[in-house]
Amino acid sequence: AQSVTQPDIHITVSEGASLELRCNYSYGATPYLFWYVQSPGQGLQLLLKYFSGDTLVQGIKGFEAEFKRSQSSFNLRKPSVHWSDAAEYFCAVDTDKLIFGTGTRLQVFP
Amino acid sequence: EAGVVQSPRYKIIEKKQPVAFWCNPISGHNTLYWYLQNLGQGPELLIRYENEEAVDDSQLPKDRFSAERLKGVDSTLKIQPAELGDSAVYLCASSLDQTSGELFFGEGSRLTVL
Repeated sequence: AQSVTQPDIHITVSEGASLELRCNYSYGATPYLFWYVQSPGQGLQLLLKYFSGDTLVQGIKGFEAEFKRSQSSFNLRKPSVHWSDAAEYFCAVDTDKLIFGTGTRLQVFP
Repeated sequence: EAGVVQSPRYKIIEKKQPVAFWCNPISGHNTLYWYLQNLGQGPELLIRYENEEAVDDSQLPKDRFSAERLKGVDSTLKIQPAELGDSAVYLCASSLDQTSGELFFGEGSRLTVL
């Protein structure tokens, strides 16, 4: 069955530091992959998506993600984190429906 | 352009009471989704509509949950009777169609069952 794993429940970084959030998926074919962000009390917002083509995709708010087929991964990165990036981040895979991981909570210290 | 609108934002009820949530999707979006989000978890699909047709309701507990999308626009999700374990956030989302890949979410309706 298709699944998404986000191994890190909670990550804390200092403002200005780089960030990488991990995501691994399980799916037989090449999936459609997404990263969503959820700020407290808000709905989810799409950061970026991968369908095909270039394995490095750029998203909003300075985020990027790299699809690595050999590792079944789709990790999210940002070179310099801002305090406003503190939120919950969800990786998702779309087969015939969107399946979300359990999320990674990002805390940013000044 | 208005986003996905949900109401109420918060609802507190006693167990065995009924509750209903309403969702108005983005204008022109044919696909509407209801998701359940438990604390510390990712959203889980309850039901997906293509226009007014429920095309995936396999995860909807039909003994107590029901949903409708009359006229293919706004939608209502109902729970009757509510149980303690139903306490969660109910998220509505919409997309242009199933293949677009991008879902637009509302802010959610947080249900507390006492």
